[in-house]
Amino acid sequence: GENVEQHPSTLSVQEGDSAVIKCTYSDSASNYFPWYKQELGKRPQLIIDIRSNVGEKKDQRIAVTLNKTAKHFSLHITETQPEDSAVYFCASGGSARQLTFGSGTQLTVLP
Amino acid sequence: GAGVSQSPSNKVTEKGKDVELRCDPISGHTALYWYRQSLGQGLEFLIYFQGNSAPDKSGLPSDRFSAERTGGSVSTLTIQRTQQEDSAVYLCASSPQYNEQFFGPGTRLTVL
Repeated sequence: GENVEQHPSTLSVQEGDSAVIKCTYSDSASNYFPWYKQELGKRPQLIIDIRSNVGEKKDQRIAVTLNKTAKHFSLHITETQPEDSAVYFCASGGSARQLTFGSGTQLTVLP
Repeated sequence: GAGVSQSPSNKVTEKGKDVELRCDPISGHTALYWYRQSLGQGLEFLIYFQGNSAPDKSGLPSDRFSAERTGGSVSTLTIQRTQQEDSAVYLCASSPQYNEQFFGPGTRLTVL
């Protein structure tokens, strides 16, 4: 089955700096790669996703890049703010099967 | 519109008792998923339903766990003879086909 590895498990950055979280996946058939943000005590919520026909996608301060050859994708958050502090999960999926989630990254933005 | 709802929000039970957790997905979503999240941990896949197809039960940790989805809508996750290690937040999510998953608020299960 699919295996998704996520790094780092914890990340602390100064407010205003950038944060990068990386994930690798094993199944070359995967074609959908979402990122979820989970604030303390709340449900995971989708913040951005990318499909395999695109190499990069950006939404304001958040961007995701995908390298299908190397089977890895990354989340980039620029100009970080304290409200960006949360656990971020990557996931990998494709047609006819469920998502496989990474183990999560606890991001802390220091004021 | 209404999102995914789950009930109860909190459940405290004694070891050995059975519990039922309910999930109401977003109307029209064909896919429904159950996950387990232990404190400070990631999302552990349990089971998923897609339309009228046989469910994928590959994530269920033991035969004490079962789930059903009636009429392609509401789903119930049942845990029999609960153990302390079953304590966790149980999250349900629904999805239109295989795209974005929308999560419910979860049920926090505590087994004493």
